Amino acid sequence: GAGVSQSPSNKVTEKGKDVELRCDPISGHTALYWYRQSLGQGLEFLIYFQGNSAPDKSGLPSDRFSAERTGGSVSTLTIQRTQQEDSAVYLCASSVETDTQYFGPGTRLTVL
Amino acid sequence: GESVGLHLPTLSVQEGDNSIINCAYSNSASDYFIWYKQESGKGPQFIIDIRSNMDKRQGQRVTVLLNKTVKHLSLQIAATQPGDSAVYFCAENRKVSKCGNEKLTFGTGTRLTIIP
Repeated sequence: GAGVSQSPSNKVTEKGKDVELRCDPISGHTALYWYRQSLGQGLEFLIYFQGNSAPDKSGLPSDRFSAERTGGSVSTLTIQRTQQEDSAVYLCASSVETDTQYFGPGTRLTVL
Repeated sequence: GESVGLHLPTLSVQEGDNSIINCAYSNSASDYFIWYKQESGKGPQFIIDIRSNMDKRQGQRVTVLLNKTVKHLSLQIAATQPGDSAVYFCAENRKVSKCGNEKLTFGTGTRLTIIP
């Protein structure tokens, strides 16, 4: 079946611009996660949605970062006034409740 | 706390040999552990998991060992193949609130290179 999909696969933007990254989770998965991965490094947790509960935003690095999940399915991660240190691969994952997470291919963001 | 990435440790293994990748976890309350494989340009891919009531679990060519006494997790890959070259992450899943919310915390990762 279809896995987690993310779009765009690559995004190049200029410093100061806003960007939106999209995640389509696996159908029926109640939990959705966003992570950031800098080049050659591990995964940094950003935000977690579980059903209708309030999201866990404890990993968001600044108030320039926000995310929403509409209708319990698709999620959008928004980065406002992008900075060069925001350059990374942004990964989305989904799971059934809090079980094994399945990852999308990621969006590579480059801020010039 | 969160595992923030540092320069990845590396492991090189001759094709056909067995490899062991190690991981130390921090929270004794963690009850579920997962190994992920990440190939270049792709998202992490689930390999195998183990719950805290077990100390060993086997899959196809992979075995995960859990030592709760020393909070250590290992991934053994038998008869390595070139396609096993990737970065391998361990992750621990633990409750972070009274409401039962759980959070997956990833290790730094190990880059495994299979030498033909």
